[in-house]
Amino acid sequence: EIVLTQSPDFQSVTPKEKVTITCRASQNIGTSLYWYQQKPDQSPRLLIKYASQSFSGVPSRFSGSGSGTDFTLTINSLEAEDAATYYCHQSSSLPQTFGQGTKVEIK
Amino acid sequence: QVQLQESGPGLVKPSETLSLTCTVSGGPIRSYYWSWIRQPPGKGLEWIGYIYITYSGSTNYNPSLKSRVTISADTSRNQLSLKLSSVTAADTAVYYCARVDGGGSDYWGQGTLVTVSS
Repeated sequence: EIVLTQSPDFQSVTPKEKVTITCRASQNIGTSLYWYQQKPDQSPRLLIKYASQSFSGVPSRFSGSGSGTDFTLTINSLEAEDAATYYCHQSSSLPQTFGQGTKVEIK
Repeated sequence: QVQLQESGPGLVKPSETLSLTCTVSGGPIRSYYWSWIRQPPGKGLEWIGYIYITYSGSTNYNPSLKSRVTISADTSRNQLSLKLSSVTAADTAVYYCARVDGGGSDYWGQGTLVTVSS
């Protein structure tokens, strides 16, 4: 099973700051890496597919990068509505797995 | 716009079988992969398994649940189903169905909380 490790677990950020969340895979997963945003009492929302492709309707301040084992989600100029938990997810190898999540709080 | 709606009992007794249905509207279920994913209260996401709906329908399950889980589909009703047998308190979670497009899940249901308790 591929283990995805996100860092940090928690981040407190002021509006307009840049946020960087990393996801490290225990094996090479190519670009089969996805990022989701989950707000309290809501379903996850797909932000990024194939490591770096923005999903339809996602604000341009969200971007993804990486391949192989190291991936990054960047939120440029954080807005208050971005307070959420962010998860990475791999579909390269079964069973599919998720990172433990990174909670982003607005100061 | 594709919409997914999970339904089923919110309370299941230990050792019994959890049964959920996911009704899909706004598009066909055929020719897509559909996943079930769960989230224990206050915790992260766990992939349960998926079904790929063609004329036969193939499934793949998380080995940690494989002996207890069955995912199936009814294309005439545009519905998916999840059955998880011999449940314990550890199976208490919000259960989501989601459409898979290119590996990632682009459409999700709102989720349904299932509590395992006597």
